[in-house]
Amino acid sequence: AQSVTQPDIHITVSEGASLELRCNYSYGATPYLFWYVQSPGQGLQLLLKYFSGDTLVQGIKGFEAEFKRSQSSFNLRKPSVHWSDAAEYFCAVGLSLTGGGNKLTFGTGTQLKVEL
Amino acid sequence: KAGVTQTPRYLIKTRGQQVTLSCSPISGHRSVSWYQQTPGQGLQFLFEYFSETQRNKGNFPGRFSGRQFSNSRSEMNVSTLELGDSALYLCASSRTSGDPGDTQYFGPGTRLTVL
Repeated sequence: AQSVTQPDIHITVSEGASLELRCNYSYGATPYLFWYVQSPGQGLQLLLKYFSGDTLVQGIKGFEAEFKRSQSSFNLRKPSVHWSDAAEYFCAVGLSLTGGGNKLTFGTGTQLKVEL
Repeated sequence: KAGVTQTPRYLIKTRGQQVTLSCSPISGHRSVSWYQQTPGQGLQFLFEYFSETQRNKGNFPGRFSGRQFSNSRSEMNVSTLELGDSALYLCASSRTSGDPGDTQYFGPGTRLTVL
């Protein structure tokens, strides 16, 4: 079955430091991959997505992610973290469903804390 | 362009009651999906509606149901509420259905508390 794994439940970084959030997926075909961010009490905001082409994708707020098929990974990176980046980050894979329709399958999320 | 809106934002109900949540998608979007978010189970797919038809349903009991109107607005209903139904219910809209690469845009959610 298709699945998404985010190995790190919590990560703490200092403001200005670089960030990498890990995501591994299990999927037979080329996956449609997404990163979303959720601030407390809010819905999910799309940071970036990948489904073909250049394996390094740029997103909003200075985030980027690299798709590595050999490692089944889609890690999210940011060169310099800002205090406002503190939030929960979700990796997701988009799936077509038998009989039509589609859904997102999410990882368990990584809670990012930024130390000033 | 206005985003996805959900009403109400907060709800408190007691066990055994029923509840209806509403979602208005982004203008021009015809697919609406619902997700349940809990600390223990994370984000789980409930169902998707497209052109007033349920396309798919996740692994939830029949107490969870929904519908979509001709203007693409959607409602979900939970009957005979249980304590475990306490969650953040998120609605997401997308332009079409069946394209896993089509971005889903999420609303702020409805926080349901069952006492």
